[in-house]
Amino acid sequence: RKEVEQDPGPFNVPEGATVAFNCTYSNSASQSFFWYRQDCRKEPKLLMSVYSSGNEDGRFTAQLNRASQYISLLIRDSKLSDSATYLCVVNMFNYGQNFVFGPGTRLSVLP
Amino acid sequence: SQTIHQWPATLVQPVGSPLSLECTVEGTSNPNLYWYRQAAGRGLQLLFYSVGIGQISSEVPQNLSASRPQDRQFILSSKKLLLSDSGFYLCAWSHAPGNTIYFGEGSWLTVV
Repeated sequence: RKEVEQDPGPFNVPEGATVAFNCTYSNSASQSFFWYRQDCRKEPKLLMSVYSSGNEDGRFTAQLNRASQYISLLIRDSKLSDSATYLCVVNMFNYGQNFVFGPGTRLSVLP
Repeated sequence: SQTIHQWPATLVQPVGSPLSLECTVEGTSNPNLYWYRQAAGRGLQLLFYSVGIGQISSEVPQNLSASRPQDRQFILSSKKLLLSDSGFYLCAWSHAPGNTIYFGEGSWLTVV
């Protein structure tokens, strides 16, 4: 089983739609979780951290389910500018003290 | 505020040639530094990380090496490139292990 798994997509949704991505991780001792956004041929950029209590930033909501070992990202009222690849990132302190990146989920928001 | 820069942005190199990618961080001291590679259609692969000057940990055996000659400088090198070295190379930093990681603009390497 891969350490961090994501549905690669693509998710093609119309503007204004709500879309949700899930990400599963294998190491139950994982400590911190993040969602990054990566535009085509650009570097990944932090979208939001994921806290145990769940957190929201405008149209974006992230949730963590430790029991089932997955995190989710919900995007409401999708904009054309949301089109990108969304990377799930898990920090496993026993893995070289560094982050493990999922392969990413590609989102295309269509006019 | 902290910034990270890496260069060159794009390069095309023949097989067997050397490589040097450089990265610098400004606005912070003693950062954790990282080199990642992203092959086409694949996730990010950690190549090296460093917690201090001269301290390099390698995650993947390969023909690449890394050095940290100064606190905020991280260099990725190769003596002889392989075709399989082609990809998108990203330098990154964080305040400490487990903290948010920030990426440089990336370097596109094509080995021909």
